[in-house]
Amino acid sequence: DGGITQSPKYLFRKEGQNVTLSCEQNLNHDAMYWYRQDPGQGLRLIYYSQIVNDFQKGDIAEGYSVSREKKESFPLTVTSAQKNPTAFYLCASRPTLRTANEKLFFGSGTQLSVL
Amino acid sequence: GQQLNQSPQSMFIQEGEDVSMNCTSSSIFNTWLWYKQDPGEGPVLLIALYKAGELTSNGRLTAQFGITRKDSFLNISASIPSDVGIYFCAGQGGSTLGRLYFGRGTQLTVWP
Repeated sequence: DGGITQSPKYLFRKEGQNVTLSCEQNLNHDAMYWYRQDPGQGLRLIYYSQIVNDFQKGDIAEGYSVSREKKESFPLTVTSAQKNPTAFYLCASRPTLRTANEKLFFGSGTQLSVL
Repeated sequence: GQQLNQSPQSMFIQEGEDVSMNCTSSSIFNTWLWYKQDPGEGPVLLIALYKAGELTSNGRLTAQFGITRKDSFLNISASIPSDVGIYFCAGQGGSTLGRLYFGRGTQLTVWP
């Protein structure tokens, strides 16, 4: 089945620890995104990547890092510098920027909690 | 980052009733999208709109791209219990290729 796979579904972080959230897509999409969702809030953009080996900061990038070594993969690391990491994290992707198709497709999310 | 104004924040309705929600922006958008999110899951795309004035339906859902290009509306007719969830609007302007801006969502509860 084609789609966006996020893992794990639930993740717990100890204080001072870095954790990495996985996002893989087999849709052959160029662009990939990471959003953070807090209860009662909209989606806030953390990082996005429009092409392999390139990525840009979103609105709340502090305390996070990403890499885009392969087209299919866009892992997000939540570093110890992120003091309030408890949230629902959503990965998304969209087709090539050369088209006018702006539809964004989401994975099923990872719930990160602090121990 | 830009945030869209989505209202209402929550709705409690009886099964069979119609529902209406809307989003407004201070900027002109070229694209409006409407998503639904079930608890613990990612948002699923419901309807995409690309032209001012466009009216598009998907089953019992109908969405419109406002004439001013600064707003959009979503209507759900004859609601059923499985309509429960959070509905998000999202928009994109021409100068921010690749970036979508989201509303805060409308939490819909349907009583049987």
